[in-house]
Amino acid sequence: AQRVTQPEKLLSVFKGAPVELKCNYSYSGSPELFWYVQYSRQRLQLLLRHISRESIKGFTADLNKGETSFHLKKPFAQEEDSAMYYCALNGGGYQKVTFGTGTKLQVIP
Amino acid sequence: DGGITQSPKYLFRKEGQNVTLSCEQNLNHDAMYWYRQDPGQGLRLIYYSQIVNDFQKGDIAEGYSVSREKKESFPLTVTSAQKNPTAFYLCATTSGANVLTFGAGSRLTVL
Repeated sequence: AQRVTQPEKLLSVFKGAPVELKCNYSYSGSPELFWYVQYSRQRLQLLLRHISRESIKGFTADLNKGETSFHLKKPFAQEEDSAMYYCALNGGGYQKVTFGTGTKLQVIP
Repeated sequence: DGGITQSPKYLFRKEGQNVTLSCEQNLNHDAMYWYRQDPGQGLRLIYYSQIVNDFQKGDIAEGYSVSREKKESFPLTVTSAQKNPTAFYLCATTSGANVLTFGAGSRLTVL
């Protein structure tokens, strides 16, 4: 069974402070990991995926297979980063995609 | 605002009634998904379909039914057997890249 755990329901940081949203997973094979974001009154959308190994809006995430983690990081938080963030796992192909419970990021001005 | 269209945006249902939520896509994606979003519980998979005329149960399929007669359409019926149907329902599709594209959602409230 595949499982995604996001331990924090709410993360509050001050503008300019570093951000780390935690994500741990369990899966027996080689998963594909994603971060999705939902801004207020907008659709849920992809932020980044581990295969791309790119930085989007200043966010990065590294897949750590030893720790089965895929934490999302940003060195300096901006107010526009305030949103709901979901970590997701795909077991491959058109398989079911499992989401974590989400973390609400609140950036305080 | 193209890609995936969900309707209606808001829906009210009396207890004991079945309701159907529509999901239409023009992305030519093979796979389609239905998720339920509840505060504090994230997104939970109800059903998914990889190809036309085929679909699989997700983690919380009880009380729901789907059909996939056309590639573009994947309607979800919330039956009277669903004990707690009040929720926000999200439809999504994915291409071979495995990236989900979401609709705007439908909010169902049981009166």
